[in-house]
Amino acid sequence: DVKVTQSSRYLVKRTGEKVFLECVQDMDHENMFWYRQDPGLGLRLIYFSYDVKMKEKGDIPEGYSVSREKKERFSLILESASTNQTSMYLCASSHYYTDTQYFGPGTRLTVL
Amino acid sequence: SQQGEEDPQALSIQEGENATMNCSYKTSINNLQWYRQNSGRGLVHLILIRSNEREKHSGRLRVTLDTSKKSSSLLITASRAADTASYFCATDAGSGAGSYQLTFGKGTKLSVIP
Repeated sequence: DVKVTQSSRYLVKRTGEKVFLECVQDMDHENMFWYRQDPGLGLRLIYFSYDVKMKEKGDIPEGYSVSREKKERFSLILESASTNQTSMYLCASSHYYTDTQYFGPGTRLTVL
Repeated sequence: SQQGEEDPQALSIQEGENATMNCSYKTSINNLQWYRQNSGRGLVHLILIRSNEREKHSGRLRVTLDTSKKSSSLLITASRAADTASYFCATDAGSGAGSYQLTFGKGTKLSVIP
C-alpha cells in the first residue's frame, strides 16, 4: 500500500515564524503536491513537483515555497507565517503515468 | 483553472438508503475521480472514470459520467454509518500522461444516521 506521511498532525506557530511542513512517500512516485483546505473553499493547490529539484506553482503559491531534494520528500515552507495561513495542509503523491493521488493524513496548522 | 462543483453541499440519510451526489465541471476532461475524506483526515481515492466510459462500479459504488452535460454522479447503495464523510470529485484536464494536476470540487458532506 502507498504510504504518505506528514511530519505533524497538529502544529501551532506564532506570526512571523518560519514553518516547515514535511511530506514523505514510500512508493517512488514522481509527482508530489501540497494543498491547503479551508471550509467553503475546498482543496487549493499551492505547489507541485514532478521530479527532484523541480517545482511548479499551483493556484495559491504566495507566501509559500517548497523544496524537493530527494524523490521521496517534499517540503512546504512558510517563510514568515501569518494568521491567514491557518489551515489544513494536505500532501499527496502520484505516479507519473497515473492521475490517482495518494494523500497524507494532513497537518492542521494554527498561526497565532 | 476549472473546478468541479458537487451537489448537494450536504446530505443526510438513514442507514440502508442510497446516497447520490453529483458533480459538474466546465471544460473537457481526460478523466474524473471521486475521493472520500473522513473528518480531519486525508483524502482517499475511491474510483476513476475515463472520458470514454459512461458507467463504472466498485463494490457499493456506482459512478456515471455524461460528457455532453459535463456532469458525473456517485451513487452509494445500502449506505452504512461508516460512509459518513465528505466526498469530492476531481477532474484532470491535462493533455495526457503526466498531466499532474487535479482540480477538486468543494465536496458533499454525507451523514448516514444509524
